[in-house]
Amino acid sequence: DQQVKQNSPSLSVQEGRISILNCDYTNSMFDYFLWYKKYPAEGPTFLISISSIKDKNEDGRFTVFLNKSAKHLSLHIVPSQPGDSAVYFCAASDGATNKLIFGTGTLLAVQP
Amino acid sequence: NAGVTQTPKFRILKIGQSMTLQCTQDMNHNYMYWYRQDPGMGLKLIYYSVGAGITDKGEVPNGYNVSRSTTEDFPLRLELAAPSQTSVYFCASSSQYRDRLFGQGTRLTVV
Repeated sequence: DQQVKQNSPSLSVQEGRISILNCDYTNSMFDYFLWYKKYPAEGPTFLISISSIKDKNEDGRFTVFLNKSAKHLSLHIVPSQPGDSAVYFCAASDGATNKLIFGTGTLLAVQP
Repeated sequence: NAGVTQTPKFRILKIGQSMTLQCTQDMNHNYMYWYRQDPGMGLKLIYYSVGAGITDKGEVPNGYNVSRSTTEDFPLRLELAAPSQTSVYFCASSSQYRDRLFGQGTRLTVV
């Protein structure tokens, strides 16, 4: 039972354009969502998060949007840079447990 | 400030062998976690700890054991290694239960 789904295994965009990575979830108890970025041979690093009381959170070139009614969140990267090429994981947690549920990841390739 | 340190980075085990994956953090975080990542899959929680002396099972605990005798260290023990345990293992820690700071990972192959 995949509670957090990233249906696009990969995405390719041109440098300077917008990258949009999508994530769907099924558990309505999730109230906090995170995006992690992972380079090869490294551990995931935290990128940005959003609480369910918000529908948008921005940090520089990165913006996360949350649509609770659709159980959908997305990560926008504008403008995309070659250094953004990595695997992006979304993750979700609820207030009752101490566990993060991760999606399967999306490999982003930003072409120069 | 090293963060989360995992050793070894790579290891090849034979079926039936045992080993311990080491994890240490120097941030005085109460929460520590072990995840595994299989190809094309997300990170799955193996075990976690909310403080010294307290551990609990995650989603995929079978074939593993942990201990937490100090705040800094959270070793993961594999007994009787099996090919299904071939994976990349990540240790993580956090001060709050929401976030995770990950180590660089241990790539384990069981042959």
